[in-house]
Amino acid sequence: QVQLVETGGGVVQPGRSLRLSCAASGFTFAGYSMHWVRQAPGKGLEWVAIISYDGDNKYYADSVKGRFTISRDNSKNTLFLQMNSLRAEDTAVYYCAKDTLSYGAYTFDYWGQGTLVIVSS
Amino acid sequence: DIQMTQSPSTLSASVGDRVTITCRASQSISTWLAWYQQKPGKAPKFLIYKASSLESGVPSRFSGSGSGTEFTLTISSLQPDDFATYYCQQYKSYSTFGQGTKVEIK
Repeated sequence: QVQLVETGGGVVQPGRSLRLSCAASGFTFAGYSMHWVRQAPGKGLEWVAIISYDGDNKYYADSVKGRFTISRDNSKNTLFLQMNSLRAEDTAVYYCAKDTLSYGAYTFDYWGQGTLVIVSS
Repeated sequence: DIQMTQSPSTLSASVGDRVTITCRASQSISTWLAWYQQKPGKAPKFLIYKASSLESGVPSRFSGSGSGTEFTLTISSLQPDDFATYYCQQYKSYSTFGQGTKVEIK
């Protein structure tokens, strides 16, 4: 069965960096685009970034463009999110999510359990 | 950017009720719309795509309709497991979610 397990969350000071990981299993990881979606405490869902199945194409929400970098290692079935220059408004549960298609349909059929990032001094 | 607006924000209903949630897009998105269900402390679950196509394994009491800018999610007979928050999502241009509709017990 499909499993997505995020790690790397925690408490970080404003302006600092954090790297999230998402270990995937149960499907052909290299065959699908992958996403990060976040949810601030008590708030709705916000799409953050997408990476194509081969890692060649990446797109970001305006709110994180220039600060966050999505990447993947298909040899290790792992998705990453490098978060730099963190702000209080980046505080959220971060989910990795599998796209339904290889090229990126932006629909998410499997999600991880999420990892909480708190940006606070 | 395409904005998504759901109504109502909260809906009180009883088991067996027919429930309808509305989602409006700020511009036409054809049928590039999905619905998700989320329970407290859990990840969202994929319910419907292309406005009306049911994801595999989702009960048939869930249905979606609409095109252009107005969409609905209907639960034909509310079950105890259906009390949750529901989100619509446009995917015509990147991705934007609605603010959510919480379905609570009346």
